Formats: sequence, structure tokens, C-alpha cells
Amino acid sequence: DTAVSQTPKYLVTQMGNDKSIKCEQNLGHDTMYWYKQDSKKFLKIMFSYNNKELIINETVPNRFSPKSPDKAHLNLHINSLELGDSAVYFCASSQDGGAYEQYFGPGTRLTVT
Amino acid sequence: AQSVTQLDSQVPVFEEAPVELRCNYSSSVSVYLFWYVQYPNQGLQLLLKYLSGSTLVESINGFEAEFNKSQTSFHLRKPSVHISDTAEYFCAVSSSGGYNKLIFGAGTRLAVHP
Repeated sequence: DTAVSQTPKYLVTQMGNDKSIKCEQNLGHDTMYWYKQDSKKFLKIMFSYNNKELIINETVPNRFSPKSPDKAHLNLHINSLELGDSAVYFCASSQDGGAYEQYFGPGTRLTVT
Repeated sequence: AQSVTQLDSQVPVFEEAPVELRCNYSSSVSVYLFWYVQYPNQGLQLLLKYLSGSTLVESINGFEAEFNKSQTSFHLRKPSVHISDTAEYFCAVSSSGGYNKLIFGAGTRLAVHP
């Protein structure tokens, strides 16, 4: 059973398009995260939700909008895609936020052309 | 604000040799420390963590790390590496209270050669 799953695994799209990435966890965790990994492998948190409530919102363009319909799902919608959005996006989850192990999904490689 | 510095971007090593991957952190509050491993084209997996107690923590696959508060370090070591240890290793820190986020270092690429 996959603990944290993301769809799609690969996403190739053109500048200006709008796209979504979906994340689901079946671990019963109450906290979920989105991270961005750039071409140099640097990882940075974007958002975190606890029980559907936004608790961490880093300095991210407002073209990025997370949505958590329930505590097992956290989706990421990106409007007006730009070349600089090309990266690998990872979803993660944890119990009670932070101190515990974060379980990462396999990543979604987004390429904007 | 917290930050993590991984002092080596790449570490080449021969199989069965010992290795140390260095990590230093900066924080004005108490921290939790983590090492994550990323194999090619995969997500990150927790290797080991320091929350409190013994400053030496171990993983099931032979890695260990020691929390040194005075030197603000959390170096990762393994006495004898295998080809399968080839991966990217990330050191991370989070504050020890409330909802917190992981701050990652830039990563160290461990390349084990036969």
C-alpha cells in the first residue's frame, strides 16, 4: 500500500497554463505539506495544512493555491505557469506536525516549456 | 530563523570505506535534527532523527549521527559503505515546539565506487 501518493508523476505543460497536482495519504496523519525541489536539489517548504487548516504559508507566489478537502488530501493548483516553476514537487505528511517523521510522496516532476 | 549547512556537496568514496557527511545548523531555539536520504528518482526517506536524550542516534542500515550542541553539528557517519548507499543525503532541522517546518540543507551527493 502506498503511504503518500501523488498524481501525476510527470507533468509537461506550456507557459501560461493552469495545472493541478494531487496528493493523498493513507497513514491517518493530520498534517500535510508541499515542498519544491529545484534543479540543484534544494528543498524548500511551500505550504502546510493541519486538519484542513493552513498553518504554514511560505513566501510563495499567489499563483500557487493549495486546497485540502479533507485531512487525507492536499492538492496544489498552479495558475499561469512560468518557466521558473519547473521543479519536482513533493507532498509529505506527518502526525501532529514537525517533530515526527515526515513521509514523502514520490514527487511530481513539472516541466514548463 | 534556522539554517542548515552541509559542508560537502559531493563525497566520493570507495566501497567498504568509512564516510562522514557533515552538517552544521544555526538556531536560536531548541531543535530537532534529521537526516533524510533520497535515492534516484524517489522521494525522501527518514534515515535517523535526534529529538532528545542520547546524542548518538543510529539507523537500521548502519548509519549513525551525533548531536553536538556546542559545535551545532549533526554529522552522519558510516564505518563501511556499500554501493547501494549511493544517494543524496539531506540534513534538516526543525524547532522543537508547536507546528514546525523542516529546513533542509543543500544536500550531499554520496557516490560509492567499487
